[in-house]
Amino acid sequence: DIVLTQSPALAVSLGQRATISCKTNQNVDYYGNSYMHWYQQKPGQQPKLLIYLASNLASGIPARFSGRGSGTDFTLTIDPVEADDTATYYCQQSRNLPTFGAGTKLELK
Amino acid sequence: QVQLKESGPGLVQPSQTLSLTCTVSGFSLTSYHVSWVRQPPGKGLEWMGVIWTGGSTAYNSLLKSRLSISRDISKSQVFLKMNSLQTEDTATYYCAREGEALDYWGQGVMVTVSS
Repeated sequence: DIVLTQSPALAVSLGQRATISCKTNQNVDYYGNSYMHWYQQKPGQQPKLLIYLASNLASGIPARFSGRGSGTDFTLTIDPVEADDTATYYCQQSRNLPTFGAGTKLELK
Repeated sequence: QVQLKESGPGLVQPSQTLSLTCTVSGFSLTSYHVSWVRQPPGKGLEWMGVIWTGGSTAYNSLLKSRLSISRDISKSQVFLKMNSLQTEDTATYYCAREGEALDYWGQGVMVTVSS
């Protein structure tokens, strides 16, 4: 299985930039696509897709969210951070059978 | 619009079998794969398995011996069955549509394994 590693938590100030990282133990690129996706989950809610194939913004997601990376290193950036962005963020790969990172909890300073 | 809704028992006894249904609308099961994902209380997401548009399935290697996913295309329903449940299977169970990623999710159903 492909293992995804995320930092457990991140604290940022309102209006600042948040950068959440996800590292994999295997390359998740295949034929020009990076099979990495990002989700936001708030307490009591189902996960919501933010970014697919590393850098594509999902429908209805504000442009404050962006993703980049390839191979084994990926980042999700939120800029600027708003109060409503406090949540847990998960990366997920689909290069092989899907696996998720453990999640990064974003908090406000 | 696209919707997925999970249903099933909220309480299952240890060693028994869990049966869940995911009823979808707004898309066809022959056009999109559907995955099951679970989340124990306070913990992260675990992908369980998928039923592909052609009807074949794939499972998480840790659950493969206990898990079965099937579907009824005419009813737009996907089924999950998992046997030999233990307390560590207590979780919220989600079904999700797979487009380029898991783009639509159900609200989830909480399942508690307890006697």
